[in-house]
Amino acid sequence: QKEVEQDPGPLSVPEGAIVSLNCTYSNSAFQYFMWYRQYSRKGPELLMYTYSSGNKEDGRFTAQVDKSSKYISLFIRDSQPSDSATYLCAKYGQNFVFGPGTRLSVLP
Amino acid sequence: GAVVSQHPSWVICKSGTSVKIECRSLDFQATTMFWYRQFPKQSLMLMATSNEGSKATYEQGVEKDKFLINHASLTLSTLTVTSAHPEDSSFYICSARAVWDGSYEQYFGPGTRLTVT
Repeated sequence: QKEVEQDPGPLSVPEGAIVSLNCTYSNSAFQYFMWYRQYSRKGPELLMYTYSSGNKEDGRFTAQVDKSSKYISLFIRDSQPSDSATYLCAKYGQNFVFGPGTRLSVLP
Repeated sequence: GAVVSQHPSWVICKSGTSVKIECRSLDFQATTMFWYRQFPKQSLMLMATSNEGSKATYEQGVEKDKFLINHASLTLSTLTVTSAHPEDSSFYICSARAVWDGSYEQYFGPGTRLTVT
């Protein structure tokens, strides 16, 4: 079983929709979690990180961690075509472990 | 915010030649840098972990004699692809680990697209 699993998509939503991106992890030895956004042919950029269970909000983005179910989520409100990218979740314990990424397309 | 640069952003080379890619942390010191490669529509694949002043740790299946990594300073790591072949054509991305108030964050460079003809 991979340490971090993520549905690769692709996921297509209409502009303005709420997007839910999810990851599961198998190893409880972690410190915190991160979400990265990667546009085509660009390096990933850090969107958000969170240390503990619960929600963390930053503008249209909300990161959620549920330690009991080993589930992490990223919600995007009022999605825009510019949000079209691949979203990678990652966890940090002794090292960084990345999920495979979910390709998101927001259609105008 | 922390910035990581890579140079060059795009390179074409002939089969059999060597190519060097630089990764720099511009406004912070990075004791650890990572090198990834990414094929089209695939996720990042960690190639090696580079610690300043010591030998890099390579992931299983990555040839250390082919992908030479040097981390000579706290702000610079280089990846040299030796005797490049067309199958080495890929997107190479570095990242640098920063430590802020006891927590770790990882910042990525913009990537280098290598095409071997």
